[in-house]
Amino acid sequence: ETGVTQTPRHLVMGMTNKKSLKCEQHLGHNAMYWYKQSAKKPLELMFVYNFKEQTENNSVPSRFSPECPNSSHLFLHLHTLQPEDSALYLCASSRRLAGEDEQFFGPGTRLTVL
Amino acid sequence: DAKTTQPTSMDCAEGRAANLPCNHSTISGNEYVYWYRQIHSQGPQYIIHGLKNNETNEMASLIITEDRKSSTLILPHATLRDTAVYYCIVRVAGSSNTGKLIFGQGTTLQVKP
Repeated sequence: ETGVTQTPRHLVMGMTNKKSLKCEQHLGHNAMYWYKQSAKKPLELMFVYNFKEQTENNSVPSRFSPECPNSSHLFLHLHTLQPEDSALYLCASSRRLAGEDEQFFGPGTRLTVL
Repeated sequence: DAKTTQPTSMDCAEGRAANLPCNHSTISGNEYVYWYRQIHSQGPQYIIHGLKNNETNEMASLIITEDRKSSTLILPHATLRDTAVYYCIVRVAGSSNTGKLIFGQGTTLQVKP
């Protein structure tokens, strides 16, 4: 238990569906991150938020839309996804964006796009 | 951030020390070495990090060479639960840091009974 929770843990959706992934951290951290891990590929950073403000978008397609209403919650809204978007989506948080602080990861949401 | 090179896979006998090497020959003076691991289909877990000096915590030890161009993660008494992919990451830590962790392919450590 890392203090970072993600729901749902598994999601199957069609290409025309709209769904959202939720991440919550109970650590009092100020920075939150979305990563994507496709099969046989390294983790890729998607978005970074610091004090609710987006500080990085790693050239992510617009069909992925993040939202950070407060420092404890992070959402990833999904619409008109493609089968190649099937992957493990991981949320992480850290106390600060800068500095040495390590990132704490949630268990991930396994997404399958049909 | 500097690039790292790790062996693709390693085996270790249960109860023995696991020594995982990492090369980071282009590391800069303000870059730290971080180690994370990922047990199958779970989120990565932070293990340890260091700048110049050797570091030890309840999970592992980190040995950084004097020229900082390579490091070794040591799990002193490996158990079957240590079977995972281990990532060595070099990252700037400071006010200009974007928080970015760049993961490579890592080393798959298989601990065998």
